[in-house]
Order: sequence, then structure tokens, then C-alpha cells
Amino acid sequence: KAGVTQTPRYLIKTRGQQVTLSCSPISGHRSVSWYQQTPGQGLQFLFEYFSETQRNKGNFPGRFSGRQFSNSRSEMNVSTLELGDSALYLCASSQGAGDTEAFFGQGTRLTVV
Amino acid sequence: SQKIEQNSEALNIQEGKTATLTCNYTNYSPAYLQWYRQDPGRGPVFLLLIRENEKEKRKERLKVTFDTTLKQSLFHITASQPADSATYLCALAPSSNTGKLIFGQGTTLQVKP
Repeated sequence: KAGVTQTPRYLIKTRGQQVTLSCSPISGHRSVSWYQQTPGQGLQFLFEYFSETQRNKGNFPGRFSGRQFSNSRSEMNVSTLELGDSALYLCASSQGAGDTEAFFGQGTRLTVV
Repeated sequence: SQKIEQNSEALNIQEGKTATLTCNYTNYSPAYLQWYRQDPGRGPVFLLLIRENEKEKRKERLKVTFDTTLKQSLFHITASQPADSATYLCALAPSSNTGKLIFGQGTTLQVKP
């Protein structure tokens, strides 16, 4: 079956702009989680969506938001970009339980200049 | 405060030897613990999952142990090969009804021929 697809793969944005990233999960998976990965902080949990509802949220400012559509596809948005938002953004698709594996996409590499 | 620590940032071993990676956590009571492999520029790939009531899990050359008293998991790769060179991440699943994972910083394993 098809894997998790994230688009775009690379993005360069200017400080103050906003950006929207997209994630298409594995068919049948209702949970999509988003993570930010940086060399200094590692993989940090942003939020989880399950059946179109945000089920968990990490410790990130309100500039980071997301949503999930009825077909389980998810988007995350970052407004008023800061240089520190430069990172690899990964989405993970799963059945939504702690005892099931997460399938990650290739990630979107965001660079803020 | 809650912490997940992987014993070292880098581990270098000779081909054929056993690599042992450590994951320690504090102020968590995870229901499950998972291990992932990540190659440069790619998303993490699931390797093994172990439940809080399991002591050990094996899959081919991989073995994971989980000691909830010590709050520690050990990840072993036996008969290591250069192709095993990658970053290995441990992740805690705080409960059964969420896809949220809390990741350690990772250990980069280098297997030399």
C-alpha cells in the first residue's frame, strides 16, 4: 500500500510569512501526528489529529496550527514565521493507539530566511 | 520534569559485534516503548514495540528489553553490519488511546567494516 506522502519536500520562506504543509496518511489510518525535528531539540511532538479532531497538543506556540479533513489528510500551518522555525517537519500516520507503529513521511524541510 | 535520555549521541563499533543502545526515562509511566531507525534525510522507520508488561522482544537480529522499575530500555543489534549504521530513536507512548509519541534525542550508530 502507498506510504505517507508529505508535500512539498522543500520550502524556503521569509520571516513573517506563513506556510502550509500537507500530509496524506496511509489509507485506513485515522490518526495523523506532526513533529518538528531540529539538530538541537530532536523530534518534538506538535499535535495529533484523529477523526478530524485535535486529540493531543505539544508545547508549541499558537502560531502552529493544524487540521484534518474527512479523508484523513492533514495540513499544518505556521504563521508569522521565525528563523527558529527552520526544521524538518514530519508527519506520522497510525491507527491512533500507543501499541501500533507509526509510519512517517519523508518530511518537509522548511528553511526560514 | 519529564525526560527521555539515550545514553550517547554516537556509538562506534566493529562489524560483527553487538551494539547496545540505552534509553532512560524519568517521570513517565509509558504503556509502550518503541524503537525507530532514521537514516539521513528520511523519516523514522519503526523497528520494535514492547509493552510495559513485557520484559523482552526479539525480531531477527534485534532485541529490546524494558525494565519499568529501572525506567530503562535496552536495544541490541547482534552481528552488526555496516548497513546498520543509522540513528536509532526510542519513543514512549504515554497511553493506549493516542498516537502521540515522545522521542529521545537518538543515538547515531556507526558500524565499521
